[in-house]
Parts: sequence; structure tokens; C-alpha cells
Amino acid sequence: AQSVTQPDIHITVSEGASLELRCNYSYGATPYLFWYVQSPGQGLQLLLKYFSGDTLVQGIKGFEAEFKRSQSSFNLRKPSVHWSDAAEYFCAVLTGGGNKLTFGTGTQLKVEL
Amino acid sequence: DAGVIQSPRHEVTEMGQEVTLRCKPISGHNSLFWYRQTMMRGLELLIYFNNNVPIDDSGMPEDRFSAKMPNASFSTLKIQPSEPRDSAVYFCASSLPGTGATEAFFGQGTRLTVV
Repeated sequence: AQSVTQPDIHITVSEGASLELRCNYSYGATPYLFWYVQSPGQGLQLLLKYFSGDTLVQGIKGFEAEFKRSQSSFNLRKPSVHWSDAAEYFCAVLTGGGNKLTFGTGTQLKVEL
Repeated sequence: DAGVIQSPRHEVTEMGQEVTLRCKPISGHNSLFWYRQTMMRGLELLIYFNNNVPIDDSGMPEDRFSAKMPNASFSTLKIQPSEPRDSAVYFCASSLPGTGATEAFFGQGTRLTVV
């Protein structure tokens, strides 16, 4: 079955440092991949998505992600983290004929000032 | 635009009671999704509607759960009778025609606690 794995449960970075959150997918064909962010007490907000084409995808809030087929990965990056980026981040893959998002277990990001 | 509106934001109920969660999708959106988030199982899709019709309810855990969408601007998720293991955050999401789950907008969720 199609799935995504987020190997890091918690990550702590200093404000201003660079960030990379890992996501690995399991899917036979070219997957449709997403990154969502969930701030405390809030719903999920779409950061970016990849369907095809350019493997480097730009999203909102200064985030980007790179699709690497050879590594089955879709890692999320940000060059310089802000304290307001502290949240939980979810990778997801589109399944069920385009109508279902299967989410990873999430990575909790803490930002130290 | 007010976004996807869910009510209540928090619900505490006793085991055995009926619980109804409500969702108002974004105007113009014709797909609606109910998700459940727990520590143990993460985010799971419960049911998906398209044009008010349930398309995929394979994620509904058991017969105690039911969902309806009587019109394009309202959906409910009902649990009867509720059990402590139903405690979770329930999210509703909606999307524009033709986008399916590729551009889903999530509500803020309803935190349900069954004691």
C-alpha cells in the first residue's frame, strides 16, 4: 500500500538555522506528495505539493521540498527557521484514486531562540 | 472567506452518549472529507463526500459512526454510542470541484473527549 514515513518524531533547531525534515514514500508509480503544517490547536495548512515536473518545489512561508526518485524521498527544507515555524509537519501521499491523503506520523519542530 | 468551520471546538461527553460534530465547508467547494487524528493512529480519513454523496466510507471505524451531508453547506459526523477510544481530534476539510484531495482546506478541528 502507498505510504509515507517520517523517521524523525522530534527535531529541535535554533532560530536562524537551516531545517530539513525527512519524508520517504512507498509507491510504485510517480507519487503525488504533499507537506502540511499544523500549528497548536489549528487545522492543517498546505505548504506545498509535488505532482510532476521540476523536482524542486517552492511553497509558502519560505519552504521548499525536493523530490528524489532514486532515494524515494521528499524532504522539506527551509534556509533560515523563524520561531513561528514551531509546529508539527506532516508529509502525505495521494491515494485512493486522488481522493485520499495518507499522512505520515508527523515531525514536531521546536525552535530555540 | 471564513474557511472551513467546525463546531464545537471542544466536546466532552460521557461514554454511551450520542455526539454530533458539525462542519460547514467553504462556499463553492463540492468535496468534503472527515479525518480523525489520534496519537496512536495519526491522521486517518474516515469518509469522503462529493456533491453531497458519500463516495468512500471505508475508513469509518464501525457502525457507531455515521456521517451525512444533507446539502452543500453542511455535514455532520455522529457517534452513537460514544466510547472512550473515540477520543480524538476530528477534522473536516473541503476542496473545489475537480481538485479532490489535492487542494484540501482543513478546519480547526473538534477535540472530542469521551469519559
